Amino acid sequence: AQSVTQPDIHITVSEGASLELRCNYSYGATPYLFWYVQSPGQGLQLLLKYFSGDTLVQGIKGFEAEFKRSQSSFNLRKPSVHWSDAAEYFCAVGPSNSGYALNFGKGTSLLVTP
Amino acid sequence: EAGVVQSPRYKIIEKKQPVAFWCNPISGHNTLYWYRQNLGQGPELLIRYENEEAVDDSQLPKDRFSAERLKGVDSTLKIQPAELGDSAVYLCASSPWLAGVNNEQFFGPGTRLTVL
Repeated sequence: AQSVTQPDIHITVSEGASLELRCNYSYGATPYLFWYVQSPGQGLQLLLKYFSGDTLVQGIKGFEAEFKRSQSSFNLRKPSVHWSDAAEYFCAVGPSNSGYALNFGKGTSLLVTP
Repeated sequence: EAGVVQSPRYKIIEKKQPVAFWCNPISGHNTLYWYRQNLGQGPELLIRYENEEAVDDSQLPKDRFSAERLKGVDSTLKIQPAELGDSAVYLCASSPWLAGVNNEQFFGPGTRLTVL
């Protein structure tokens, strides 16, 4: 069965500091991996996705993520956090075929302090 | 291009009352999803449509939940009667179906339901 674990429920970082959000997955085949961000009262916005090829993927808003098959991880990083990055972040895994539901983690809430 | 549209954005009802949510997907997207997001959790699939056909409704509580997508475009999700535990955000998403292409879903803003 496929599953996603986000070990950190809450993370607090200072503005300008670096950020890493952890994501571990369990999947029987080649996973398609996603990171979404959700601001209060908003829907989910796709930050980046990994399907194949280069294991370091670049996304919007200066985010990047690295796929590590040996560790079953897909951690999200940003070198310098801005106050506007405060939000809920969700990692998700899905099958390669188009049109199938995604399996989401429980999310990590990011707080940015001045 | 317009995104996924959902209405209403917020709904407060008393338990045992009916409620309905509406979703209009991105034009040309033939796959439509309804997810439920409980407080502090990630979204969980309720039902998935390919055009007008419900192809995955295994997680839909069919005793009180129903959904339809009659013309393969917009969709309605209904709860009757609502229970306290139904309080959640109901998210609609859509994606195009392209053979051999990866699965990116586009989400609407959601409907936040509060059952009193």
